[in-house]
Amino acid sequence: DAGVIQSPRHEVTEMGQEVTLRCKPISGHDYLFWYRQTMMRGLELLIYFNNNVPIDDSGMPEDRFSAKMPNASFSTLKIQPSEPRDSAVYFCASRTGEGNTIYFGEGSWLTVV
Amino acid sequence: AQSVTQLGSHVSVSEGALVLLRCNYSSSVPPYLFWYVQYPNQGLQLLLKYTSAATLVKGINGFEAEFKKSETSFHLTKPSAHMSDAAEYFCAVSPLRGGSNYKLTFGKGTLLTVNP
Repeated sequence: DAGVIQSPRHEVTEMGQEVTLRCKPISGHDYLFWYRQTMMRGLELLIYFNNNVPIDDSGMPEDRFSAKMPNASFSTLKIQPSEPRDSAVYFCASRTGEGNTIYFGEGSWLTVV
Repeated sequence: AQSVTQLGSHVSVSEGALVLLRCNYSSSVPPYLFWYVQYPNQGLQLLLKYTSAATLVKGINGFEAEFKKSETSFHLTKPSAHMSDAAEYFCAVSPLRGGSNYKLTFGKGTLLTVNP
């Protein structure tokens, strides 16, 4: 079975540019999570969705960040405009409504220069 | 509120030696606890989880962890380290099995180095 699929795996962009990260959760999973990993702050939950509806976005750092889930098989995390401090690994993850195990994607390595 | 503290950001052991990675949690309700492993340039993979059944939990790759409520701990162990165990390990806590209040909170991680 395919796992959580993220794209791009690596992105280097210039400060001020828009960045869009994409995620396809595991089929049948109705929870989707976006995490950010940095050396300084570790793994932080940015936002999560249940049945395509954002449930908790308290971890989104600021208005430059936005996330959408237009359907059960696709989600995006957008940063506009990007800043060097946004450089991090962004993970998408999913789980079923009854399960308690979260499955992670391989991550998107973002570098903003 | 819930939180996880991993004692030691870096642990170094010799190949064949015991691996002990420490995790203490804080949770206002009975917790579910997890250990994830992250190999270089990869995502997180579940090693094992505690979900209120047996307190000694066995996971993949020979790892196990014991839930000790009195100590609020969930330490990860492996009797004999292998070179392939070198990775970063994350302890995580969740307060609920599911529902709209679900959140998985991670510790800062412990980098395990295995020396030949």
